[in-house]
Amino acid sequence: DTGVSQDPRHKITKRGQNVTFRCDPISEHNRLYWYRQTLGQGPEFLTYFQNEAQLEKSRLLSDRFSAERPKGSFSTLEIQRTEQGDSAMYLCASSLSEIGELFFGEGSRLTVL
Amino acid sequence: QKEVEQDPGPLSVPEGAIVSLNCTYSNSAFQYFMWYRQYSRKGPELLMYTYSSGNKEDGRFTAQVDKSSKYISLFIRDSQPSDSATYLCAMSRSGTYKYIFGTGTRLKVLA
Repeated sequence: DTGVSQDPRHKITKRGQNVTFRCDPISEHNRLYWYRQTLGQGPEFLTYFQNEAQLEKSRLLSDRFSAERPKGSFSTLEIQRTEQGDSAMYLCASSLSEIGELFFGEGSRLTVL
Repeated sequence: QKEVEQDPGPLSVPEGAIVSLNCTYSNSAFQYFMWYRQYSRKGPELLMYTYSSGNKEDGRFTAQVDKSSKYISLFIRDSQPSDSATYLCAMSRSGTYKYIFGTGTRLKVLA
């Protein structure tokens, strides 16, 4: 299967620890997105990459959050000094074209104790 | 007021019924519309993608866009218990990279 792959699927951490999530997009897709979803809500946009360039960041992405996409392939999302409010599902999606079909991975669920 | 409004449900229907799911939006610039199905603790699965107004059909699914009313719909024919999930609408406009999602409607199809 060559869909969007995310790792880990579930991470439990203590408040104050750093966590990192990885996303491998569909291979020919040069556009990559991170979204966050909490229970009972729709996904909220965090950030967008076109190739290796981060072109847009949401105000939701505080300075504790950083995302990278070295070489325009996989992407990482790091959260430093986690807080309980960071508990959510972190979704990665990729697309072949601007404002095109968006394909999501299965998500990385974060639980901050 | 949220940019995209979606009734959270739950919506319960008997197996075989026609299901109608809807979203309204406030930004008249939205031109790109998608519907997703999301099972519990899974990522959203793309069902339909439409551009501008009109209808699009794919198997048991039909997506409709009425830009004059700022209203989009997803119809599911011959609904099955396996269709029980949360359905999300998403939309965007030219000049931005992000899609705005509704909160999702929970659908239960009863056998």
